[in-house]
Amino acid sequence: NAGVMQNPRHLVRRRGQEARLRCSPMKGHSHVYWYRQLPEEGLKFMVYLQKENIIDESGMPKERFSAEFPKEGPSILRIQQVVRGDSAAYFCASSPGPGELFFGEGSRLTVL
Amino acid sequence: QQQVKQSPQSLIVQKGGISIINCAYENTAFDYFPWYQQFPGKGPALLIAIRPDVSEKKEGRFTISFNKSAKQFSLHIMDSQPGDSATYFCAAIIQGAQKLVFGQGTRLTINP
Repeated sequence: NAGVMQNPRHLVRRRGQEARLRCSPMKGHSHVYWYRQLPEEGLKFMVYLQKENIIDESGMPKERFSAEFPKEGPSILRIQQVVRGDSAAYFCASSPGPGELFFGEGSRLTVL
Repeated sequence: QQQVKQSPQSLIVQKGGISIINCAYENTAFDYFPWYQQFPGKGPALLIAIRPDVSEKKEGRFTISFNKSAKQFSLHIMDSQPGDSATYFCAAIIQGAQKLVFGQGTRLTINP
């Protein structure tokens, strides 16, 4: 039973480019969450999705960030026109139910 | 109200000693309190969790103590080992709300 799969593990972008981060939840999990972790800081909630629905995006910046979880395929976190402040580790988690979050290894974005 | 405050920020313990990390919350609606362990370059992994209807939960060398009236909970690591060196996060969630709120993290170092 594979865990939460995230790719790419490392991504380097120049300012103004787009970053796309992918997350495949654990088998049987229909809840997906994205968290952001800045260096030496805790995990900040960004968005919670179920298949084809955004349930809670209260932690997502209003501009440049978007997330989706289509009927088929992985969940995608998209960051347009990246800036240096977007450099962080982005973690995806999935769950079979409330509270039991299983995290992936993360995608580390570096913006030059 | 949605915050979970964690202390200390960093902790150094000798091998064989007891590591204690504390967390406090304000929102009495929180009803599930997990602890996560994160090694450098890895995603957070669920370590142990407790619900407020019990005052203590033990799994091997790891124990959660929960004080509902004080709105505090703590993680105790008995017989701490160098392999326990990691960052530990407490968290809280309102069942049904789905959004896990994390503490700021504690970087634990166990000296051999």
